[in-house]
Amino acid sequence: QLQLQESGPGLVKPSETLSLTCTVSGGSISSRSHFWGWIRQPPGKGLEWIGSIYYSGSTNYNPSLKSRVTISVETSKNQFSLRLSSVTAADTAVYYCARQQLKPVSMREVVITEFDPWGQGTLVTVSS
Amino acid sequence: QSALTQPASVSGSPGQSIAISCTGTSSDVGGYSYVSWYQQHPGKAPKLMIYDVTDRPSGVSNRFSGSKSGNTASLTISGLQAEDEADYYCSSYTSSSTLVLFGGGTKLTVL
Repeated sequence: QLQLQESGPGLVKPSETLSLTCTVSGGSISSRSHFWGWIRQPPGKGLEWIGSIYYSGSTNYNPSLKSRVTISVETSKNQFSLRLSSVTAADTAVYYCARQQLKPVSMREVVITEFDPWGQGTLVTVSS
Repeated sequence: QSALTQPASVSGSPGQSIAISCTGTSSDVGGYSYVSWYQQHPGKAPKLMIYDVTDRPSGVSNRFSGSKSGNTASLTISGLQAEDEADYYCSSYTSSSTLVLFGGGTKLTVL
C-alpha cells in the first residue's frame, strides 16, 4: 500500500526558505504513470496546489507561486522535496504531498489529474 | 485563475440525499473529464472520493456518485450518514497555465 510522509521544520522565520521532504513507501517514485505533488491549506481555508514533479525531474508549478518554488526529486531515496523562498505569514499552512495521476487529453498529450493518496500533512508556521 | 465555485455549506438529514455543485468554465470542468472530489474530516488529510467525473476508487461507498453537465460538476451523497459530515472539495485539470484548480470547499452538515 503506497504511503507518503511529509517531514521538515514546523517553524520558519519570515524571509527565510521553507524546506519539506516527502518520503514515499510501498511503491516506487520512478513510476511512469504518476507525478508527485505538493498542496497546501492555510488554517481554516481551502486547498491550493503548489506544484508537481515527475521522476525525471520535469516540473509543473502554480504560476502564483512559481517565482518562489522549487520542487526536486531524489529517486535513490524515493523522496521529493519542496523549497519555498522568501516566506511570509501568508505561507503558514498545512503542507501535503500526494501522488498525481497522468492521463491523456489527446493522442500526444498527457496531463496531471487527481491526487491519491495523500500524506498526513505537516503544519508549517511562519513567525519570528 | 479563479478557483472553482462551490457552495459554502449544505446540510441534510440522515438517510436523505444531497448534492454539491462545482462550477468552472469550458477551460476546466466543462472541457475535460478530469474532475475529482475529496472528503476532508477535521484535522485529517483529504481523501479521494470521485475521479474522472464519475469513477469511485476502490473502497469508497457507492453512496457517493459524481456527474457533470456543461461547466458544472456535482457530487451526490445518498443515504446520508453522520460520518459523511466533512468538508468536500472539487478539483479539475485546467488548460490554463494553472493546470490544477480546486474549489473553495463545501461544509456538509448532517442534521
